[in-house]
Amino acid sequence: KNQVEQSPQSLIILEGKNCTLQCNYTVSPFSNLRWYKQDTGRGPVSLTIMTFSENTKSNGRYTATLDADTKQSSLHITASQLSDSASYICVVNAGTYKYIFGTGTRLKVLA
Amino acid sequence: KAGVTQTPRYLIKTRGQQVTLSCSPISGHRSVSWYQQTPGQGLQFLFEYFSETQRNKGNFPGRFSGRQFSNSRSEMNVSTLELGDSALYLCASSSGTSSQETQYFGPGTRLLVL
Repeated sequence: KNQVEQSPQSLIILEGKNCTLQCNYTVSPFSNLRWYKQDTGRGPVSLTIMTFSENTKSNGRYTATLDADTKQSSLHITASQLSDSASYICVVNAGTYKYIFGTGTRLKVLA
Repeated sequence: KAGVTQTPRYLIKTRGQQVTLSCSPISGHRSVSWYQQTPGQGLQFLFEYFSETQRNKGNFPGRFSGRQFSNSRSEMNVSTLELGDSALYLCASSSGTSSQETQYFGPGTRLLVL
């Protein structure tokens, strides 16, 4: 069964600290893995897209890694800001526009 | 470029009624996908339309249907509403030519079924 699991479910950190969110997947076939940021009450916004051959991709303070052998990905946020408070969703594309979504990690950044 | 727009933003219906949601993609995008988001299940794929044809479908009952018009605008219909259909319905658009491309999401329509 195609599945994407994220951990932790929720996380609270202080402004300026770093954090890492995890994503494990059992999806086949694998086309690419995406991380989205979703602010409360808004649609998700794409942060990174990684194919099988890519193991790191950055977007500003966001860095995603992918280990296709262990089927794990992580999203590292550096020097967190209050505006980073959101849900972060890991999505695996199983080809032909079939997307498997994780349930997300809810991040709260405190001043 | 204007982003993806969805109407209405909020909707309240009662069980047994039907509802139609609308999505206007980014200009030039030919693919529109629909998703249901609930606190318990997260985001789930409903279906994807490309050039007026349903190209992919998720595991939802036949009460959920959609269509796409020649201008790429898409509508989603849910008939015989159930309490469990209360959710945020999101649409996303893309050019539809590559599985590596970015999907752009709209703000969603929040449906409450009483």
